Amino acid sequence: DTGVSQNPRHKITKRGQNVTFRCDPISEHNRLYWYRQTLGQGPEFLTYFQNEAQLEKSRLLSDRFSAERPKGSFSTLEIQRTEQGDSAMYLCASSLGTNSGNTIYFGEGSWLTVV
Amino acid sequence: SQQGEEDPQALSIQEGENATMNCSYKTSINNLQWYRQNSGRGLVHLILIRSNEREKHSGRLRVTLDTSKKSSSLLITASRAADTASYFCATVTNTGTASKLTFGTGTRLQVTL
Repeated sequence: DTGVSQNPRHKITKRGQNVTFRCDPISEHNRLYWYRQTLGQGPEFLTYFQNEAQLEKSRLLSDRFSAERPKGSFSTLEIQRTEQGDSAMYLCASSLGTNSGNTIYFGEGSWLTVV
Repeated sequence: SQQGEEDPQALSIQEGENATMNCSYKTSINNLQWYRQNSGRGLVHLILIRSNEREKHSGRLRVTLDTSKKSSSLLITASRAADTASYFCATVTNTGTASKLTFGTGTRLQVTL
């Protein structure tokens, strides 16, 4: 399968615990994005990488959130000291190219439930 | 923040009918992309239309773009029960190196037999 892969698909955690999600983009895609989606809403942009460089972060990405893409391939999104408001689906996406006109492909998402 | 709004928020039609969803946005764009999302799943890319294009087709899908009105529409012809899903429009603005998508709130389409 050559699509965007996300793990784990579902995570239930207790408030205050740390969680980490992994994203493997489509091979050779240099751009990687993280979005968050809550029920009944459209996805909201969190952060964006071009290769290993994190070029933009949303104000939604508080200090408890950190994203990395160390070798310009897979990426991780870590949430520290989780809160119930962090419950959402975290979506990863990737695209190829250096301009703004390319299709952006999404993974199946990682559901987070904080109890 | 959400860039645009889809209209209607929910749409229920019978199989075989056509479904039209509209999207409005606020700022100038590089391109606009339509996605489908089945309940609890990720987003599936449907069509990308660039700001210099007015209409695109893909199978039973037809997308139009009117940059003067900052609006787009998605038409699904001869709908099927399997088309039941949420449909989102997302815009890419001219932001230099970034090409992030900004989504609307979606249209929930229900196709009944």
